Amino acid sequence: GESVGLHLPTLSVQEGDNSIINCAYSNSASDYFIWYKQESGKGPQFIIDIRSNMDKRQGQRVTVLLNKTVKHLSLQIAATQPGDSAVYFCAENKGDYKLSFGAGTTVTVRA
Amino acid sequence: ETGVTQTPRHLVMGMTNKKSLKCEQHLGHNAMYWYKQSAKKPLELMFVYNFKEQTENNSVPSRFSPECPNSSHLFLHLHTLQPEDSALYLCASSQAGASASYEQYFGPGTRLTVT
Repeated sequence: GESVGLHLPTLSVQEGDNSIINCAYSNSASDYFIWYKQESGKGPQFIIDIRSNMDKRQGQRVTVLLNKTVKHLSLQIAATQPGDSAVYFCAENKGDYKLSFGAGTTVTVRA
Repeated sequence: ETGVTQTPRHLVMGMTNKKSLKCEQHLGHNAMYWYKQSAKKPLELMFVYNFKEQTENNSVPSRFSPECPNSSHLFLHLHTLQPEDSALYLCASSQAGASASYEQYFGPGTRLTVT
């Protein structure tokens, strides 16, 4: 069935280094993907999205890569900062404006 | 912050209580959602309302009862809950339509503890 998953539940990264968070999905018909960031005590916040007709999309310090051949999605954060410490979720469009979420990767930034 | 507010932020209730969670969106959206977030699990979609009509009930037990009186407000009525219902309950909204994005905007959540 459809599922969205993340490869690793936790990621520890040195401040200033680049972070890469990975996500695998199983529905090859998915046409839209989105990354959310959830800080402690807050709801998920939009980071960046990408449609299936694109391979790459860049935002401010973030890049999302989509590899439809292997059904893999990644989020790259450049020059990771302490404020980037959070749980990161990928999600895919299930149709009818519903999203299916992965379990999340907890990113911890070391000073 | 995000234009979606939820009250209360924290709630402790006994298994025989009745309580309600409230969500309000100030973004002019036409779709609203309830999610359950438990530790170490993906967000679980519970209910979807599109133009005030319920379009999804994701096999949620009847002890959870949603209400959407208008496109800006969403309630989740709770009664005779179980300890395993303790979780963070998140509300979200989006703009559904032919040219709309699929992005959902989340509130801060209500942390529910059932004793």
